[in-house]
Amino acid sequence: GQQVMQIPQYQHVQEGEDFTTYCNSSTTLSNIQWYKQRPGGHPVFLIQLVKSGEVKKQKRLTFQFGEAKKNSSLHITATQTTDVGTYFCAGDNAGNMLTFGGGTRLMVKP
Amino acid sequence: DTAVSQTPKYLVTQMGNDKSIKCEQNLGHDTMYWYKQDSKKFLKIMFSYNNKELIINETVPNRFSPKSPDKAHLNLHINSLELGDSAVYFCASRPGRLYEQFFGPGTRLTVL
Repeated sequence: GQQVMQIPQYQHVQEGEDFTTYCNSSTTLSNIQWYKQRPGGHPVFLIQLVKSGEVKKQKRLTFQFGEAKKNSSLHITATQTTDVGTYFCAGDNAGNMLTFGGGTRLMVKP
Repeated sequence: DTAVSQTPKYLVTQMGNDKSIKCEQNLGHDTMYWYKQDSKKFLKIMFSYNNKELIINETVPNRFSPKSPDKAHLNLHINSLELGDSAVYFCASRPGRLYEQFFGPGTRLTVL
């Protein structure tokens, strides 16, 4: 079955440093979605990437979808304490279910 | 208005008991899901329910049974609870394939 791997599992950064999490799928995806889960909260949708090589930005967040549509990354520039949480990628192969990566837990030291 | 709601928010129970978690979405979505999130934050899909079609993750024990009385509700019933069932359970919904998912606030289940 489809597997989605995400690295790193944890990342500690000093406030102001950049952060990147990487996502790799064992199969080609129709699209990839990114979610953020704050501590004690529930996953909240951030963005969806559909096209090969697509890059999207949301303020300090930059999302990329690989040319082969099997990998993706999320980059945060100049992290802030409000960025704390677990970031999940989720692969969609047009079936009924998303396959979530293991998540990257981001901790930001003020 | 809450888009996806779950009750209860917390559930503490003894091993061997049977319990249910309720989920309702007022978004008019066709597809609903149950996820289990363990202490390491892994989000594991348990069930998908789309227009009366139930898709089960094969690794889910048959002590877990989803019940959907209508398109807006997907409840989760768990028989003979075990210690390993302790986790946060999330309900989610989406309009259809290739759309974002909306998650409920979660139910933290603790089995003693």
